Amino acid sequence: EVQLVESGGGLVQPGGSLRLSCAASGFTFSSYEMNWVRQAPGKGLEWVSYISSSGSTIYYADSVKGRFTISRDNAKNSLYLQMNSLRAEDTAVYYCARDHQYYYGSGSYRYFDYWGQGTLVTVSS
Amino acid sequence: EIVMTQSPATLSVSPGERATLSCRASQSVSSNLAWYQQKPGQAPRLLIYGASTRATGIPARFSGSGSGTEFTLTISSLQSEDFAVYYCQQYNNWPPSTFGQGTRLEIK
Repeated sequence: EVQLVESGGGLVQPGGSLRLSCAASGFTFSSYEMNWVRQAPGKGLEWVSYISSSGSTIYYADSVKGRFTISRDNAKNSLYLQMNSLRAEDTAVYYCARDHQYYYGSGSYRYFDYWGQGTLVTVSS
Repeated sequence: EIVMTQSPATLSVSPGERATLSCRASQSVSSNLAWYQQKPGQAPRLLIYGASTRATGIPARFSGSGSGTEFTLTISSLQSEDFAVYYCQQYNNWPPSTFGQGTRLEIK
């Protein structure tokens, strides 16, 4: 059974730092691309960051670029999000999500097929 | 960045009736469109990918259609467990992959 379990959330002051972790099990973690997605209280979903299976390709949303760093440790089946210079608007539940590609003929569809339960990050003084 | 717009924001439907949710992209996303269901306090759950393919374990009452810029999620006969928030997501032109703002499906 695929499981993704986030941890590391909590209350942090503006300008502070936090490191989120996502422990993966039930699948070959090193074969999958991964993402972080967040959801502010009462709001919709916002993609935050992507990392390829090897970690060689990384993307960020403009809203977090230069402040957040995504990484992974395939030996530990773990995904991370280092969050620095946190702002009130970063307050959200952060989900890790497995990226999946379905190949057909000439192309592929991409989607997030498994999500963790989320970890709440609150940025407040 | 592709903007995804869902309508209506809230849809009130009686159990057993059909619900039709819409998602529009600001430019073509081909068929690279997914739908997710989210219940309060839970993570999103994948329903549909490739605009029309049900994910594993998703009941046949859920169906997706459309391509390009216009997409529809239809729930043919609403069950009590279907009342939730639904999001569409495009993953055709990325980064970023973008989500719609969600449609809340509530009991009438």
